[in-house]
Amino acid sequence: DIQMTQSPSSLSASVGDRVTITCRASQSISNYLSWYQQTPGKAPKLLIYGASNLQSGVPSRFSGSGSRTDFTLTITSLQPEDFATYYCQQSYTTPYTFGQGTKLEIK
Amino acid sequence: QLQLQESGPGLVRPSETLSLTCTVSGGSVSSSYYWGWIRQPPGKGLEWIANVYHTGSTSYNPSLKSRVTISIDTSKNQLSLRLSSAIAADTAVYYCARQGGDYARPPFDYWGQGTLVTVSS
Repeated sequence: DIQMTQSPSSLSASVGDRVTITCRASQSISNYLSWYQQTPGKAPKLLIYGASNLQSGVPSRFSGSGSRTDFTLTITSLQPEDFATYYCQQSYTTPYTFGQGTKLEIK
Repeated sequence: QLQLQESGPGLVRPSETLSLTCTVSGGSVSSSYYWGWIRQPPGKGLEWIANVYHTGSTSYNPSLKSRVTISIDTSKNQLSLRLSSAIAADTAVYYCARQGGDYARPPFDYWGQGTLVTVSS
């Protein structure tokens, strides 16, 4: 299985801040990497696919980059609704695997 | 707008079979997409269980493969999950989701709200 490792596991930030979350794959996954946002009690929501493609309806303050094994999710100008848990996921091969999550909290 | 809704028993006894259904509305399970199940134990991360293509072709997580069956019912526009010999570690919120979008090896773009299944005597 391909292991996905996110860092940090948790992060404190303030409204208006810029934050970056990283995701590392245990082997090359080309750009088959997605990012999801999950708030408590809700299903994950797709933010980014193909490492850098913004899903329709997602604000442009979210962006993704990277390829092969190293990827980043950047959120510029944090809004109150952005405080959530973020997961990366590889769709390069089955079994599809997710990172362990990064919890973004309000400072 | 595509909507997915999971349903099934909220409590399953150990060693019994966990059975869930996902009803799709606003779209068809017969369309050219993969449909899957993902679970999340309380307070933990996400685990992909299985997916099924509209043709009925399936793929399973090897960690669960011996106990899992996924299928689609085009007449009811549903997908189903069966997990046999349930154990406490199967306690989780179970999500159904579509893999879609105009992209090779697509992401999970639509999700159900999830249903909590507890395995306990």
